[in-house]
Amino acid sequence: DAGVIQSPRHEVTEMGQEVTLRCKPISGHNSLFWYRQTMMRGLELLIYFNNNVPIDDSGMPEDRFSAKMPNASFSTLKIQPSEPRDSAVYFCASTKIAGGHNEQFFGPGTRLTVL
Amino acid sequence: AQSVTQLDSQVPVFEEAPVELRCNYSSSVSVYLFWYVQYPNQGLQLLLKYLSGSTLVKGINGFEAEFNKSQTSFHLRKPSVHISDTAEYFCAVSDPNTGNQFYFGTGTSLTVIP
Repeated sequence: DAGVIQSPRHEVTEMGQEVTLRCKPISGHNSLFWYRQTMMRGLELLIYFNNNVPIDDSGMPEDRFSAKMPNASFSTLKIQPSEPRDSAVYFCASTKIAGGHNEQFFGPGTRLTVL
Repeated sequence: AQSVTQLDSQVPVFEEAPVELRCNYSSSVSVYLFWYVQYPNQGLQLLLKYLSGSTLVKGINGFEAEFNKSQTSFHLRKPSVHISDTAEYFCAVSDPNTGNQFYFGTGTSLTVIP
């Protein structure tokens, strides 16, 4: 298996622009998570889906952030408009729901820089 | 909700010396425990996990961790570190009562000094 795939790996954009981050979970996994990592705040859970349905989006910082999972093999995280404080590494992770104890598999991350 | 405390934000250690990275979690109910490692510019990789059974868990790269329910701790140890162990280490807790959500600690930066 190719693991969790994220694209792009690096994104540099200007303040005010729309940014879309993409994630393809591991085939057969039915739970997907979006995290943000910064030096100041560490690793933060933004939102997670079970069977394509958003379960908890309380970590989404504000309305500028939105996430979708139209099918089991694809998810997007969108920031519109972007701001410099959104600069971070965004990780996607997936797991298979099985009693709640399976580990999460992480993608390589997308490093976002907003100028 | 669970919370995870990693008491040391940075740990420098000389090569071939032993190391212990500390992790405490908030709840005394049954939980699942994990340690992840993040090498520079990479995602998180699973080192080891505790689900049930023996309290001493062995993982990859010579790491092990011991689950202590009374102290709600899950400290990570390695008897002899290598330069290649320099990385960020994250402790995480999964509460089976709240589904698949993980609660991560703030991480410990391990630096191995030659």
